Amino acid sequence: EPEVTQTPSHQVTQMGQEVILRCVPISNHLYFYWYRQILGQKVEFLVSFYNNEISEKSEIFDDQFSVERPDGSNFTLKIRSTKLEDSAMYFCASSGTGGEKLFFGSGTQLSVL
Amino acid sequence: ELKVEQNPLFLSMQEGKNYTIYCNYSTTSDRLYWYRQDPGKSLESLFVLLSNGAVKQEGRLMASLDTKARLSTLHITAAVHDLSATYFCAVVVTGTASKLTFGTGTRLQVTL
Repeated sequence: EPEVTQTPSHQVTQMGQEVILRCVPISNHLYFYWYRQILGQKVEFLVSFYNNEISEKSEIFDDQFSVERPDGSNFTLKIRSTKLEDSAMYFCASSGTGGEKLFFGSGTQLSVL
Repeated sequence: ELKVEQNPLFLSMQEGKNYTIYCNYSTTSDRLYWYRQDPGKSLESLFVLLSNGAVKQEGRLMASLDTKARLSTLHITAAVHDLSATYFCAVVVTGTASKLTFGTGTRLQVTL
């Protein structure tokens, strides 16, 4: 069964450093998303991406965050200058259309020290 | 602001028993999803409910949606240990394309 893959599975970084989280969505999907989950808390929406542009973003997704689809397969989330409170599990997801179920990747655990 | 609340937050139940998890949301929604999450793992899609009165069943789990009451339920029949996980409902607000707002989650522990 096709799946969303994310790399790396764990990322440790120093506060103020830039990180790039990578995702390969399911190949024929058109909608891409990033969500995050702080340990023990609920899952929070960050951003959705369709047709090479952001379609929606949350208040969490400030100027420190950006997304990109650099080629036909990858979808990345960049955090320019990480803060301690960015520590979380980041999930990438994709869907075929806006109304279908979202398939989530296995996540990247980001730890900011 | 959309609020999605689940109850209970934690549920310990014995194998063989039945129970229901409730998901209330505060505004009109087009779609409601149920996800399962095992500790340290990703989110596994269980159900997508698209209309008022929708009912879906898979194995020992059954989900329903009442859009007028803004309520979804996830009913567990004759629980088994393998169902131990955290269950999240997630709602898409009418008029927004794709943003899921997740509930607080219900941590289910099924004991022998």
